[in-house]
Amino acid sequence: KNQVEQSPQSLIILEGKNCTLQCNYTVSPFSNLRWYKQDTGRGPVSLTIMTFSENTKSNGRYTATLDADTKQSSLHITASQLSDSASYICVVNVTGGGNKLTFGTGTQLKVEL
Amino acid sequence: ETGVTQSPTHLIKTRGQQVTLRCSSQSGHNTVSWYQQALGQGPQFIFQYYREEENGRGNFPPRFSGLQFPNYSSELNVNALELDDSALYLCASRLTSGGINEQFFGPGTRLTVL
Repeated sequence: KNQVEQSPQSLIILEGKNCTLQCNYTVSPFSNLRWYKQDTGRGPVSLTIMTFSENTKSNGRYTATLDADTKQSSLHITASQLSDSASYICVVNVTGGGNKLTFGTGTQLKVEL
Repeated sequence: ETGVTQSPTHLIKTRGQQVTLRCSSQSGHNTVSWYQQALGQGPQFIFQYYREEENGRGNFPPRFSGLQFPNYSSELNVNALELDDSALYLCASRLTSGGINEQFFGPGTRLTVL
């Protein structure tokens, strides 16, 4: 069983609309949680990094939230653009794991006209 | 661009062969990690090198090995290739210091094993 679960698996929205992606994790303890954007056939690019003590972090139209008690995180995208079409991956950095990252399987987002 | 490059971009091998993938880290970074990403899956951690020594390994067999060179470039070697080794191989580099260490990923090498 994956230690980082994401939902939905895929999502299609219209340009300009907002969406929220979910991440549930069982990895514990962790030092930080990250959201990455990965375009098809490319390497992941970091969007946000939150320590376990942070509740929210924004990067332009991307806002990530973290609830360490329930072990849930979300990524909210506002005013979506066609270029937002990509896979969004939730990643947990395990404490004491030598900075080893545990990746979710990602949410595939498609933004359409 | 992240400043991390990988070569080659694509590679086709046959079962049983050996392959070497290369990564050039971002300038000043002393740590490199390698990941395997199967189609439709998240990246899986293979191993990590810090100052030319392996200091972390995921659940991969010994036929996956690596090297990190003094200039912080690195290699991933896979022996006795199997069909399931077909994947996108990513390297990520960072500067290991106190606090959160941002990892920067390369574009990946797409390996196909026939």
